[in-house]
Amino acid sequence: DARVTQTPRHKVTEMGQEVTMRCQPILGHNTVFWYRQTMMQGLELLAYFRNRAPLDDSGMPKDRFSAEMPDATLATLKIQPSEPRDSAVYFCASGWLIGGEKRKNEQFFGPGTRLTVL
Amino acid sequence: DAKTTQPPSMDCAEGRAANLPCNHSTISGNEYVYWYRQIHSQGPQYIIHGLKNNETNEMASLIITEDRKSSTLILPHATLRDTAVYYCIVRVTDFGNEKLTFGTGTRLTIIP
Repeated sequence: DARVTQTPRHKVTEMGQEVTMRCQPILGHNTVFWYRQTMMQGLELLAYFRNRAPLDDSGMPKDRFSAEMPDATLATLKIQPSEPRDSAVYFCASGWLIGGEKRKNEQFFGPGTRLTVL
Repeated sequence: DAKTTQPPSMDCAEGRAANLPCNHSTISGNEYVYWYRQIHSQGPQYIIHGLKNNETNEMASLIITEDRKSSTLILPHATLRDTAVYYCIVRVTDFGNEKLTFGTGTRLTIIP
């Protein structure tokens, strides 16, 4: 049963430290998403990639966040420097998304990385 | 993408059908209705989607009104494992426009 995997599952760090979260999308999927979930803001899209190329990162704070896909099996989300307001659960999702009426365009979510910045 | 309105919470007895409503009165002709759910501490999970016809799969049924301004997700025989937050999302499915915009959803609690 193919799944999206994320590491680490939990991360506690101090303000100012660099944080890197990793995601392994489902093999063969062409689109990878990063979402963030907080109690106040709910689930919000940060960025997404198709075929490893960034398509939309308008939801991401540009000054401290960066997202990359070094290869088709790895997506990374980096925060430098981290701040307490970055504390959240970060979800990665992947899908085989090609648009069109008859396509499901389903996104498969990973278990998330719970980040706490002290 | 069109905005959706869902009740914040609902209860349903175990074994009964759970009917979750969603209003999307500003939906456009090319926008689909998607449902996802999020069980506590897990990532969201796709349930079902539709355009204008009613849809059914192994998890649920989706009933869309003729004017498409509202829809209902039906879980036919709710179990305790169906306790989750359910999100109704309206979006186009064009290539290059794959964003999911999650609202606050409905917190469904299945009562034993």
